[in-house]
Amino acid sequence: SQKIEQNSEALNIQEGKTATLTCNYTNYSPAYLQWYRQDPGRGPVFLLLIRENEKEKRKERLKVTFDTTLKQSLFHITASQPADSATYLCALAPEGAAGNKLTFGGGTRVLVKP
Amino acid sequence: DAEITQSPRHKITETGRQVTLACHQTWNHNNMFWYRQDLGHGLRLIHYSYGVQDTNKGEVSDGYSVSRSNTEDLPLTLESAASSQTSVYFCASNPPRGKCNEQFFGPGTRLTVL
Repeated sequence: SQKIEQNSEALNIQEGKTATLTCNYTNYSPAYLQWYRQDPGRGPVFLLLIRENEKEKRKERLKVTFDTTLKQSLFHITASQPADSATYLCALAPEGAAGNKLTFGGGTRVLVKP
Repeated sequence: DAEITQSPRHKITETGRQVTLACHQTWNHNNMFWYRQDLGHGLRLIHYSYGVQDTNKGEVSDGYSVSRSNTEDLPLTLESAASSQTSVYFCASNPPRGKCNEQFFGPGTRLTVL
């Protein structure tokens, strides 16, 4: 069965450092991968999307890589700030109409300490 | 501004009762989704709809039903609530074949079944 794994342990990081989160998947051939941010008591908010034919995507201090051979995506927050503290979710989708249907990982909680 | 709302935000009910959670979006999105979020499981898809009169089962649909009589609303009904359905429920929507198929999430409903 399809499986998406994110590190369930919280990532504690010092302000200014780079946080790196992983998203690994098995039995899946996604057309694209999305990353969401979720704050306590709120719904997830979309951050970035990367397609299967893209190696890297950037948005401000965020960088996402996608390696379909390793079946892995890495999510980087550079120059991290306490405001970046949240849970980050990866989500995968196949191509086509079913591409609207996402499968989520369990999320990784990030805590940035000042 | 367009938005997606859920009601109620918190609900306590008893085992065996029927419960309906409301989801309303003003973006005129065709696609709507219901997820539940539990510790250790992340977001799991319950039901989804690609348009009026269209409904589909997701990964964890047993004990739940939805109906889509208009574009704006996708109510989720628990026919006979069980303690295992205690969870946080999120509704989401997106347009068909959007630029990047990001999903827009509501604020969630915390449901407790006693």
